Amino acid sequence: QQQVKQSPQSLIVQKGGISIINCAYENTAFDYFPWYQQFPGKGPALLIAIRPDVSEKKEGRFTISFNKSAKQFSLHIMDSQPGDSATYFCAASGVKGSTLGRLYFGRGTQLTVWP
Amino acid sequence: KAGVTQTPRYLIKTRGQQVTLSCSPISGHRSVSWYQQTPGQGLQFLFEYFSETQRNKGNFPGRFSGRQFSNSRSEMNVSTLELGDSALYLCASSTGPTGDEQYFGPGTRLTVT
Repeated sequence: QQQVKQSPQSLIVQKGGISIINCAYENTAFDYFPWYQQFPGKGPALLIAIRPDVSEKKEGRFTISFNKSAKQFSLHIMDSQPGDSATYFCAASGVKGSTLGRLYFGRGTQLTVWP
Repeated sequence: KAGVTQTPRYLIKTRGQQVTLSCSPISGHRSVSWYQQTPGQGLQFLFEYFSETQRNKGNFPGRFSGRQFSNSRSEMNVSTLELGDSALYLCASSTGPTGDEQYFGPGTRLTVT
């Protein structure tokens, strides 16, 4: 059972546009929600993360929106650039039991930004 | 600060053999987690260690095992390799006791023939 569901599977955006990737979860024990960026041949790189006590976090062109009641969170990439073309993963983690020290990943979104 | 390092970066093994992969976490990080990445299954959690203790384990057969040393370095071992074990094996380290903010290494690409 996929504990974190991610959509879309692939996304094509024009340079300068906004890229939006969505994730949903069920386990209320999750309390940490990171996004990772992965380029071919590399390990995932931590991009930005949020905890449930805030509804939005912004770092540069990257913003996480978090809706605790809907159990959803999303990544917005503003002014998307060709260099942003990569696979993006959402994830979730908690502090108890099976969620401790473990990231549950979505299936990934392959983003292509056309120049 | 140096990042997470993994050795070797590439490995080719034959079915039935065993393999040991190594991970050196970021200096000061005490939690080390291992993941398997495949095109079909995505990123799947193997296990997590904190201060030499395994705190969490994923749904992998007993052929997959790991350990952590007193300097936080970690190794994972896969015995009796199967073709389906071909994957990118990723190690991540975290500084905090909850092990949530994880930083990944480049991975070890294992090919089983």
